[in-house]
Amino acid sequence: EAQVTQNPRYLITVTGKKLTVTCSQNMNHEYMSWYRQDPGLGLRQIYYSMNVEVTDKGDVPEGYKVSRKEKRNFPLILESPSPNQTSLYFCASSLSPRVALETQYFGPGTRLLVL
Amino acid sequence: AQRVTQPEKLLSVFKGAPVELKCNYSYSGSPELFWYVQYSRQRLQLLLRHISRESIKGFTADLNKGETSFHLKKPFAQEEDSAMYYCALGVGATNKLIFGTGTLLAVQP
Repeated sequence: EAQVTQNPRYLITVTGKKLTVTCSQNMNHEYMSWYRQDPGLGLRQIYYSMNVEVTDKGDVPEGYKVSRKEKRNFPLILESPSPNQTSLYFCASSLSPRVALETQYFGPGTRLLVL
Repeated sequence: AQRVTQPEKLLSVFKGAPVELKCNYSYSGSPELFWYVQYSRQRLQLLLRHISRESIKGFTADLNKGETSFHLKKPFAQEEDSAMYYCALGVGATNKLIFGTGTLLAVQP
């Protein structure tokens, strides 16, 4: 089944403990991105990647890192999580980097709580 | 600045009533507009896009460039329409996709 997967789906951690949220797509999509969803703020883009080894900051990149070593994977890394990173995170992908025109395919979301 | 405004955080209607979810955008160029929907415990998915001019699950949306709006409409709401709806603007010049803050539609029986 063509889809975007994320792991873990739920995560509780403590301040400062490094964590990684994985994202994988099996649709050979070039473009991948990470969003966070917060009440009243909607979806805000954290980082995106146009293709392998090409990544760039979105609107709220502070405190996050990403990498794109393979086309299918786009992990989100929180080196030192803080409580204000408690949120619902979505990974998304699209066939081409022309994101303004393409349908975005979203993962199921990862709910993160940082204590 | 490019922006998407969804003025209603929550819209509550009764089953069978008409629904209109408002979306206004700010962009001087030629916009691409989308509606995404997130049903309870499901992932966000595309509902429709203006360029397709199609009706999905009874929903339609017309781009009004004069009013810079892309409101989502359905003549008769169903309980299964209850979900979070996001309007999104594709900005070709910067290759960005900008989401609104979302409207939670609750259809009461």
